[in-house]
Amino acid sequence: NAGVTQTPKFQVLKTGQSMTLQCAQDMNHNSMYWYRQDPGMGLRLIYYSASEGTTDKGEVPNGYNVSRLNKREFSLRLESAAPSQTSVYFCASSPPRDGSKETQYFGPGTRLLVL
Amino acid sequence: GDSVTQMEGPVTLSEEAFLTINCTYTATGYPSLFWYVQYPGEGLQLLLKATKADDKGSNKGFEATYRKETTSFHLEKGSVQVSDSAVYFCALKGSSASKIIFGSGTRLSIRP
Repeated sequence: NAGVTQTPKFQVLKTGQSMTLQCAQDMNHNSMYWYRQDPGMGLRLIYYSASEGTTDKGEVPNGYNVSRLNKREFSLRLESAAPSQTSVYFCASSPPRDGSKETQYFGPGTRLLVL
Repeated sequence: GDSVTQMEGPVTLSEEAFLTINCTYTATGYPSLFWYVQYPGEGLQLLLKATKADDKGSNKGFEATYRKETTSFHLEKGSVQVSDSAVYFCALKGSSASKIIFGSGTRLSIRP
């Protein structure tokens, strides 16, 4: 049971390049999330997927797209990277809803540098 | 909308000192409240949670009590260790919401 895994761990891109960040969970969780973490800003939600086949925008979706490939996998794509997207990206998942008690389980993060 | 406000860091303490990190929230209804911890180079992990008023969450010597009258969920530990050095995030999730709202994080450093 690996929990939430993310690849790659670290990536350097040039402005305008594209890339996809991969996330997978083996806990049979319904919901998955992508966050970015910037110094002094805490965590900001980019996109989330409440269940397989659905995705919704979070707080900062511009410049990103997501795909919920199946129940396990939720990828984040940068079509044309910009220096403002330099950040640490975290994927998370949470189990089926049980009122408001669910918690989130986080991956180790992907550190992205856009030059 | 729902929001979380926590004390700004960094907070630097000596080993065995008493720790308080303040957290207040704004939410409608009866949210669940959480403290997450992020150790250097790692993702966030749940430290403790409380799901209703007057509940006390506890783990690894840390405690926080859900105070609805003051809309607070302050994190406390009686005697901190160097290994507690990390960033601590207060968070809430409303009963009808599908997302968790995180505070901006408080960096804690413990001196030996």
